[in-house]
Amino acid sequence: DSGVTQTPKHLITATGQRVTLRCSPRSGDLSVYWYQQSLDQGLQFLIHYYNGEERAKGNILERFSAQQFPDLHSELNLSSLELGDSALYFCASSYGTGLFPPEQYFGPGTRLTVT
Amino acid sequence: GQQLNQSPQSMFIQEGEDVSMNCTSSSIFNTWLWYKQEPGEGPVLLIALYKAGELTSNGRLTAQFGITRKDSFLNISASIPSDVGIYFCAGQNQGGKLIFGQGTELSVKP
Repeated sequence: DSGVTQTPKHLITATGQRVTLRCSPRSGDLSVYWYQQSLDQGLQFLIHYYNGEERAKGNILERFSAQQFPDLHSELNLSSLELGDSALYFCASSYGTGLFPPEQYFGPGTRLTVT
Repeated sequence: GQQLNQSPQSMFIQEGEDVSMNCTSSSIFNTWLWYKQEPGEGPVLLIALYKAGELTSNGRLTAQFGITRKDSFLNISASIPSDVGIYFCAGQNQGGKLIFGQGTELSVKP
């Protein structure tokens, strides 16, 4: 158990809908990262938050947004969902800004299925 | 952008065999991390390497940070069925970003 929690575990929704994925980092960690993992792809970095502020953006679509709250939990919002958004979404956390130590600890993921 | 070439993509081995996989890049990295992902789970950190030339073990796993800082390898000795999963390397670049390899899928036949 990494100490990172994600809810829900599974989510099934229809095209065009909007969903919110939730992540709680390990106790003491200030950074939260979101990743997307599709069947034929590796881990695609989406976005990084540190202590409530956005630090880095990866290949995140404009239909997706995220935020980190004062209690350090984070939410990833996916809107106008398309079939191609079906994937595993992982949250990871780290102690600092990610520079050092660089280790990221992953949650169990949310499996999103868009029908 | 920066890319990590992880090989092989997949391996099918017999229980008891040793396994070797590696990651290479044309770019220099400050840190190398190795993760294992089992089906339906999130990646779990196995080993972290911080210095060029560093060799670190974790049980039957041994990983090395290449002397050029552009590569790393992971060895698993005497494989067992529970070693099955996808192994990812990740390199931290000069800007602090973590870049992941595409993964090596390991299958172990009892």
